[in-house]
Amino acid sequence: AQSVTQPDIHITVSEGASLELRCNYSYGATPYLFWYVQSPGQGLQLLLKYFSGDTLVQGIKGFEAEFKRSQSSFNLRKPSVHWSDAAEYFCAVEGNTPLVFGKGTRLSVIA
Amino acid sequence: SQTIHQWPATLVQPVGSPLSLECTVEGTSNPNLYWYRQAAGRGLQLLFYSVGIGQISSEVPQNLSASRPQDRQFILSSKKLLLSDSGFYLCAWSPGLAGGQNEQFFGPGTRLTVL
Repeated sequence: AQSVTQPDIHITVSEGASLELRCNYSYGATPYLFWYVQSPGQGLQLLLKYFSGDTLVQGIKGFEAEFKRSQSSFNLRKPSVHWSDAAEYFCAVEGNTPLVFGKGTRLSVIA
Repeated sequence: SQTIHQWPATLVQPVGSPLSLECTVEGTSNPNLYWYRQAAGRGLQLLFYSVGIGQISSEVPQNLSASRPQDRQFILSSKKLLLSDSGFYLCAWSPGLAGGQNEQFFGPGTRLTVL
């Protein structure tokens, strides 16, 4: 079965700074990869997904992620963070079972 | 377009009382349906998923159960709640495509507090 690791539990960045959230997966074949965002007390919203093709995928709210097979990674990036980006971010992988989620990275944004 | 509803939004229940959380999906047919529990700082735990009416897969042994009485209705139940059942419960659906690429769409969640 597949698994996901998000090494960073909590990250704090300044507004306007760049952001990278790390995600590593384990799966024997090419996985389907997702990033979701969750605001406090809300459900999860899909930011972007990778199924095949171009390894750099663009998502909503100015986010992008790059699939690197050699590193088994799918890191999420944003060039300039806004205060409204403060939330919990989840990486997920679909393999031979339903989506498996990482434990999440909480993003705080300071002025 | 598809929408997913959960109710109630919040619930406070005494230990030992029964539970029924409901999830319905509109605008699609034959979806896969999922129940997750989210405890503080512990990510999402898949509890149950269903690929069709009456078909339920349990991922974690516990005092909860799930049922799918209709194609787009998914119910999470318990006969006797425990303190450890407190958490944020999320329902999700996916298109149920063979071969994968099943991105999931989440409902707004139910905050359950067991006292």
